[in-house]
Amino acid sequence: GENVEQHPSTLSVQEGDSAVIKCTYSDSASNYFPWYKQELGKGPQLIIDIRSNVGEKKDQRIAVTLNKTAKHFSLHITETQPEDSAVYFCAAMGSSNTGKLIFGQGTTLQVKP
Amino acid sequence: NAGVTQTPKFQVLKTGQSMTLQCAQDMNHEYMSWYRQDPGMGLRLIHYSVGAGITDQGEVPNGYNVSRSTTEDFPLRLLSAAPSQTSVYFCASSWTPGSNTEAFFGQGTRLTVV
Repeated sequence: GENVEQHPSTLSVQEGDSAVIKCTYSDSASNYFPWYKQELGKGPQLIIDIRSNVGEKKDQRIAVTLNKTAKHFSLHITETQPEDSAVYFCAAMGSSNTGKLIFGQGTTLQVKP
Repeated sequence: NAGVTQTPKFQVLKTGQSMTLQCAQDMNHEYMSWYRQDPGMGLRLIHYSVGAGITDQGEVPNGYNVSRSTTEDFPLRLLSAAPSQTSVYFCASSWTPGSNTEAFFGQGTRLTVV
């Protein structure tokens, strides 16, 4: 079945710096790649997503890139702020077309003021 | 708009006890799923449903049962709780299966089995 690997598991940056989180997936037929942010005590919330027919997508300070050949995708956060501190999850939707999302292991991002 | 509602928020069970985690959504979503979240392991899919009357197993289904009698509700049953089931459980829903749309998550249920 689909497998998603996420790195790093923890990331600490200074406020204003950029943060990059990387994920690889195993199923070459995967076609949807969302990123979720989870704040303490809450459920994950979608922050950005990308589909397999697009190489890059931006939304203000966040961007996602997708390399289908290498089967990896990345989340980029620029000008980080303390409120960006959270756990971030990447996910991939497999080829079975059932809506199943397979998640990476998560990255704890700490932005130091 | 309530979105996805999970109850209870916290629960402590003794080994061997049974219980049902409730999940309800008011967005008329067809697709619903249950995940468990453990440190360092991300969110792992337990069971999912692509519509009323249809359920299927995810990555870690053992020890859990589900049913989907209505579009709105998707309860998760633990028949005989084990300490290995101590975890945070999340329910999620999305519009239609395979349509690549946003999944909305509940606030989670923190379950401890002693």
